[in-house]
Amino acid sequence: DAGVIQSPRHEVTEMGQEVTLRCKPISGHDYLFWYRQTMMRGLELLIYFNNNVPIDDSGMPEDRFSAKMPNASFSTLKIQPSEPRDSAVYFCASSFGRLGNTIYFGEGSWLTVV
Amino acid sequence: AQKITQTQPGMFVQEKEAVTLDCTYDTSDQSYGLFWYKQPSSGEMIFLIYQGSYDEQNATEGRYSLNFQKARKSANLVISASQLGDSAMYFCAMRGRIGGFKTIFGAGTRLFVKA
Repeated sequence: DAGVIQSPRHEVTEMGQEVTLRCKPISGHDYLFWYRQTMMRGLELLIYFNNNVPIDDSGMPEDRFSAKMPNASFSTLKIQPSEPRDSAVYFCASSFGRLGNTIYFGEGSWLTVV
Repeated sequence: AQKITQTQPGMFVQEKEAVTLDCTYDTSDQSYGLFWYKQPSSGEMIFLIYQGSYDEQNATEGRYSLNFQKARKSANLVISASQLGDSAMYFCAMRGRIGGFKTIFGAGTRLFVKA
């Protein structure tokens, strides 16, 4: 079975540009999570969805960040405009059900804003 | 609020020895799950082991075991017979009903296995 698929794997962009990160969760999973990982802040939960509905976006750092999940097989995380401090690895993860089920991570999108 | 604490930024262990990575958590949930993930230098997040709050036995998966002490709210990872390939970052995570089933992570512990 395919795992969580993220694109792009690597992106280098100039400050002020719009960045869109994409995620395809594992088929059948009803939870989708977006995390950001940096050396300084570790692994932060940005937002998560249940059945395509955003449940908690309290981790989204600013209005420049937005996330959507138009259907069960696709989600986007958008940064507009991007800034150098947004440079990080962005992970998408998905899971089925609740407590006992682990979340599975994509390989991450490595974003560099120059 | 839920919180995961990993107090060891870095750990060294000799190859073939056992090592314990500490994790404490804070929650008012009665029902929750605890997880450990491994992140090698290549960056992917690899699930290692799970412990449910109502599980009476400590979880084991091969060389990994979870020392779960519910009263102390600790869920330490024990790696037996360390191998060079165990050198990586290790994250403790928790998922609970009160948190809306989101999964939160600790800061991680970087493990170095010496030959």
